[in-house]
Amino acid sequence: AQKVTQAQTEISVVEKEDVTLDCVYETRDTTYYLFWYKQPPSGELVFLIRRNSFDEQNEISGRYSWNFQKSTSSFNFTITASQVVDSAVYFCALSEARGGTASKLTFGTGTRLQVTL
Amino acid sequence: DSGVTQTPKHLITATGQRVTLRCSPRSGDLSVYWYQQSLDQGLQFLIQYYNGEERAKGNILERFSAQQFPDLHSELNLSSLELGDSALYFCASSVRGAGELFFGEGSRLTVL
Repeated sequence: AQKVTQAQTEISVVEKEDVTLDCVYETRDTTYYLFWYKQPPSGELVFLIRRNSFDEQNEISGRYSWNFQKSTSSFNFTITASQVVDSAVYFCALSEARGGTASKLTFGTGTRLQVTL
Repeated sequence: DSGVTQTPKHLITATGQRVTLRCSPRSGDLSVYWYQQSLDQGLQFLIQYYNGEERAKGNILERFSAQQFPDLHSELNLSSLELGDSALYFCASSVRGAGELFFGEGSRLTVL
């Protein structure tokens, strides 16, 4: 069975601080996808990134960066120079990859990030 | 805007009642997924349809059912509602081969 663990329930930082959100996953599949989603106070789930299991290159998108390490089954998310608008709940998720088609997502419990002035 | 449309956005009903939640996927997406988000259970996968056929089933109660129609929109039917069914119900869609799911804004169900 697949499992995603986000051990950090809540993190508070002051604006401009860097913050890393941890994600550890478990799966028996050799091919899978990893995701991060953002859920702002308005409630919608916003897709941030997808990573294939065979692509361990780190990725940077503006102030966001992701560190995928297969050896430790981790897919951590760093926000550099955090801003108040980053305040949200962030979910890490895992899915099987069957024939290139997305399968159901297994979500972690989420990390609530609070960025204050 | 993800392109996934869910109606209604909010719904308040009483225990024992039945409700239907509707989802229109993004144009071209054949897969539709339903998720339930509650405080105690987190985000739980309910069911997936692909081009009208049930593809995968998760923690969906027998009181709940879903279907995907030929125009690819989907409906989630919740019956004999209980207080514990109060939750945010998300629909998501994906295109084959892409991997990522795009979520609607959710339907917030309150059972009184």
